[in-house]
Amino acid sequence: SAVISQKPSRDICQRGTSLTIQCQVDSQVTMMFWYRQQPGQSLTLIATANQGSEATYESGFVIDKFPISRPNLTFSTLTVSNMSPEDSSIYLCSVHDRNNEQFFGPGTRLTVL
Amino acid sequence: AQSVTQPDIHITVSEGASLELRCNYSYGATPYLFWYVQSPGQGLQLLLKYFSGDTLVQGIKGFEAEFKRSQSSFNLRKPSVHWSDAAEYFCAVGAGYGGATNKLIFGTGTLLAVQP
Repeated sequence: SAVISQKPSRDICQRGTSLTIQCQVDSQVTMMFWYRQQPGQSLTLIATANQGSEATYESGFVIDKFPISRPNLTFSTLTVSNMSPEDSSIYLCSVHDRNNEQFFGPGTRLTVL
Repeated sequence: AQSVTQPDIHITVSEGASLELRCNYSYGATPYLFWYVQSPGQGLQLLLKYFSGDTLVQGIKGFEAEFKRSQSSFNLRKPSVHWSDAAEYFCAVGAGYGGATNKLIFGTGTLLAVQP
């Protein structure tokens, strides 16, 4: 199974600012995913990030609000832009391995004041 | 549209008792099904998965799940619960192209409390 790390593990941010979350995997993977888990809620897929192409966003999520980079096969970033308190969530990165399993990072807990 | 329903938001069981967490899915083809566990302050850990074949699948930590196509269910079971099993449990269905797992749709989760 892949080992995934995320930075930062948590942050408290002011309204209107932006935060970039990093996701690092210990092996090369084709597909990386970003999920959001709002307080007391389940996980919702934000977007799928493939290396060398634009991220694919799910309904309700747009690139201007959640720009994603995928510069190589082991790294991705998600930026939460122009934040509001409604963006307070846990953001999780995941990867898809050859056994058709998804493994998740530890998450980044974001609080927006 | 694909969806996953976990009818029980919160369940409390006594340590040593048996456990069954319910999961129902809606998916047009043969689904790829998963159970994940999320402990407080921890990330998601895969407990088990079903892709095809034997409908009773074994996972880690003594968990098992049974796929029942006729009932569109994939319930998670454990014969004897330990205090360390207290966590939130998520059922998910793979909803990518051709039923692949490149997109997971999660249920709302069941929070398990274990009484001594």
